Amino acid sequence: DSGVTQTPKHLITATGQRVTLRCSPRSGDLSVYWYQQSLDQGLQFLIQYYNGEERAKGNILERFSAQQFPDLHSELNLSSLELGDSALYFCASSVSTSRQETQYFGPGTRLLVL
Amino acid sequence: AQKITQTQPGMFVQEKEAVTLDCTYDTSDQSYGLFWYKQPSSGEMIFLIYQGSYDEQNATEGRYSLNFQKARKSANLVISASQLGDSAMYFCAMRAQGGKLIFGQGTELSVKP
Repeated sequence: DSGVTQTPKHLITATGQRVTLRCSPRSGDLSVYWYQQSLDQGLQFLIQYYNGEERAKGNILERFSAQQFPDLHSELNLSSLELGDSALYFCASSVSTSRQETQYFGPGTRLLVL
Repeated sequence: AQKITQTQPGMFVQEKEAVTLDCTYDTSDQSYGLFWYKQPSSGEMIFLIYQGSYDEQNATEGRYSLNFQKARKSANLVISASQLGDSAMYFCAMRAQGGKLIFGQGTELSVKP
């Protein structure tokens, strides 16, 4: 158990819908990262927050947004869902943004868009 | 641009034998971190081992060791005494500026009894 929690574990929804994925980082970790894992794209960085502020964006679609709350949990919002959004979404956390520091991953949310 | 390359899509190893999973990286940064993660069929990403760019010694964690050759920009994972539970996808990753991880495409390891 990495100490990072993600809910829900599985999500099945329809095209055009909106979903919210939730992540709680390890105790003491200020930095939260979201990644998407799909068969065709592999593991891709989406967005990063540090202590409530957005720090970096990767290949995140405009239909996707995220935020980190004062208690440091984070939510990833996916809207106008398309079939291609079906993927495993991971949240990871670390104490800081240092390149030397390990990121610990949550169990992931498996999203299926029908 | 920073990049991680894993050239072995799939590997087989006999139980109790050692196996090396290849990873090469490309970066112009002097300071960076290299990581290996294991992803079993259940899907979670499990951290295995870390190597810092300034570390002179190769990292070891139990049966895992990292063969770090900085001049060749390689960071191969060595698993000794393979077990059936080692069957999984293995990802090499580099922590880039700002902290995000850049992953390779992964190597699927199958351990044969």
